[in-house]
Amino acid sequence: DAGVIQSPRHEVTEMGQEVTLRCKPISGHDYLFWYRQTMMRGLELLIYFNNNVPIDDSGMPEDRFSAKMPNASFSTLKIQPSEPRDSAVYFCASSFGDRFNEQYFGPGTRLTVT
Amino acid sequence: SQQGEEDPQALSIQEGENATMNCSYKTSINNLQWYRQNSGRGLVHLILIRSNEREKHSGRLRVTLDTSKKSSSLLITASRAADTASYFCATDDNNNDMRFGAGTRLTVKP
Repeated sequence: DAGVIQSPRHEVTEMGQEVTLRCKPISGHDYLFWYRQTMMRGLELLIYFNNNVPIDDSGMPEDRFSAKMPNASFSTLKIQPSEPRDSAVYFCASSFGDRFNEQYFGPGTRLTVT
Repeated sequence: SQQGEEDPQALSIQEGENATMNCSYKTSINNLQWYRQNSGRGLVHLILIRSNEREKHSGRLRVTLDTSKKSSSLLITASRAADTASYFCATDDNNNDMRFGAGTRLTVKP
């Protein structure tokens, strides 16, 4: 298996633009997580899905952030409109069987909003 | 707020030495996990220890868990330059939350 795949790896955009981050989890995994990592706040869980259904989105910063998982092999995290404070590395991770089992992380998307 | 808090924040050692990192947490947990992150990469799972376990080994890694002190330690023996990375602990508690600490930045000098 190729592992968790994220795209793009780097994104530079201007304030106010819409940003869409993509994730393909490991085949067969039934949990998918979106994290944000910054120097100031460390690693924060934004939202997680179980069997494509959003379970806990309490970590989503505000209404500008939305996430979808239309099927078991694809998820998106959208920021609209983007702001400079959204600059961070966004990770997608997946796991199998239990949300507290070992998580497999993707390589991350480094987002810079100018 | 962070559940797991690692210390030290940064650790620098010579190749061949042992590295010990600690993680403290506040509430009762079910499991504790250690992850490693190389610069510019995603986290990689190292080891999971359950609340009823006291020690676990995996290759050069040794993890201990002391639930009475609400702390865990990760020991890397005979360190190598390739062990240079950030190490995070993650805890899941009875509130059904999983939280990552701020991490320890380990530098192993060749």
